[in-house]
Amino acid sequence: QSALTQPASVSGSPGQSITISCTGTSSDVGSYNLVSWYQQHPGKAPKLMIYEGSKRPSGVSNRFSGSKSGNTASLTISGLQAEDEADYYCCSYAGSSTPVFGGGTKLTVL
Amino acid sequence: QVQLVESGGGLVKPGGSLRLSCAASGFTFSDYYMSWIRQAPGKGLEWVSYISSSGSTIYYADSVKGRFTISRDNAKNSLYLQMNSLRAEDTAVYYCARERSHASFDYWGQGTLVTVSS
Repeated sequence: QSALTQPASVSGSPGQSITISCTGTSSDVGSYNLVSWYQQHPGKAPKLMIYEGSKRPSGVSNRFSGSKSGNTASLTISGLQAEDEADYYCCSYAGSSTPVFGGGTKLTVL
Repeated sequence: QVQLVESGGGLVKPGGSLRLSCAASGFTFSDYYMSWIRQAPGKGLEWVSYISSSGSTIYYADSVKGRFTISRDNAKNSLYLQMNSLRAEDTAVYYCARERSHASFDYWGQGTLVTVSS
């Protein structure tokens, strides 16, 4: 399985909205509504932000939202805050209980 | 509260072996699928292995197939990863993670560092 494709970096100013894309294939992102997104601060374990494409776990801000179109999933963060600066990873189910991760995107809050 | 605590990491020579453990608490361990996920220094996340709640179904990434063995002991609320024939490219922080649904990992341990070097 090849890794999903994410932009290496994105940036935005406080209060703005940003979107991180995650491109897969018809064998993973395109076949299942099972994309998750993780936030990782330096030296910390990843934190689940979105699961099953667009669902938010309890405790995750509604400023985070997920969507999908074809083979590309997206994470949108609205009302950008300084604490949102982190690495973000997408992950998709790829069949046979195997997941595939994206390469990660570094979000900088200007 | 849900806790996952990994242990067993360390420095090992190429070709050597190591066994990682993950102690789970705060939830009914036997109800959940579990996975090991690793992150090489400065790199992204890579799924390593999956085990079903009963242990009857197991999958591995191609990069570790034939060298790593995942197992679990539901009576001890523990997950394991036996790593043999270790290579430099296996150097990473290894996380155990609880699977909420397919490809959704809702709880992660703090990670344990494995360094393969001569």
